[in-house]
Amino acid sequence: QQQVKQSPQSLIVQKGGISIINCAYENTAFDYFPWYQQFPGKGPALLIAIRPDVSEKKEGRFTISFNKSAKQFSLHIMDSQPGDSATYFCAAGRPGNTGKLIFGQGTTLQVKP
Amino acid sequence: NAGVTQTPKFRVLKTGQSMTLLCAQDMNHEYMYWYRQDPGMGLRLIHYSVGEGTTAKGEVPDGYNVSRLKKQNFLLGLESAAPSQTSVYFCASSYQGHNQPQHFGDGTRLSIL
Repeated sequence: QQQVKQSPQSLIVQKGGISIINCAYENTAFDYFPWYQQFPGKGPALLIAIRPDVSEKKEGRFTISFNKSAKQFSLHIMDSQPGDSATYFCAAGRPGNTGKLIFGQGTTLQVKP
Repeated sequence: NAGVTQTPKFRVLKTGQSMTLLCAQDMNHEYMYWYRQDPGMGLRLIHYSVGEGTTAKGEVPDGYNVSRLKKQNFLLGLESAAPSQTSVYFCASSYQGHNQPQHFGDGTRLSIL
């Protein structure tokens, strides 16, 4: 019940296209769903996050869609650029005094010029 | 403002050797975390700390020990290194609260022969 399953493992998109990465979870106690972006040789960095009281959150070209009943959430990257080429991790957190996150397996995105 | 600093960046050990990875943060964060990142497995939590003098086990704690003697530092120790511990290790820190961003260091790449 603690797992977060992420797909696809890798993704190739043409410049200007839409990149879509999906995640699913089991534990309904999760109430915080961040996405992290990681460039080669660097640590992950928070990209965007959502709480389950909203179905969508948009920041620039990045949008999280959240489906509470299906226990799924996804990251959409509009007008994908070569600079978006990175590894993306979804994660889930639940209330408590630890701040712990459960991460998905990661998706390596390549945007071709 | 350096954020989260990990030392060393690279290390090669022989099976059975011991070593300590150091993580330092200058953001006055209460929470700190150690993760390992392996291909196709995402980020897995090894140990974490919710404050100076406290530590707790994460998902994959076996073979590792930690200490948090000072608020800004979180040490990860390998007592007797094994090839299965070859990985990239990331330290992160965050403010209190389960929905706060985790700030990551740039990792330590550890190879055990």
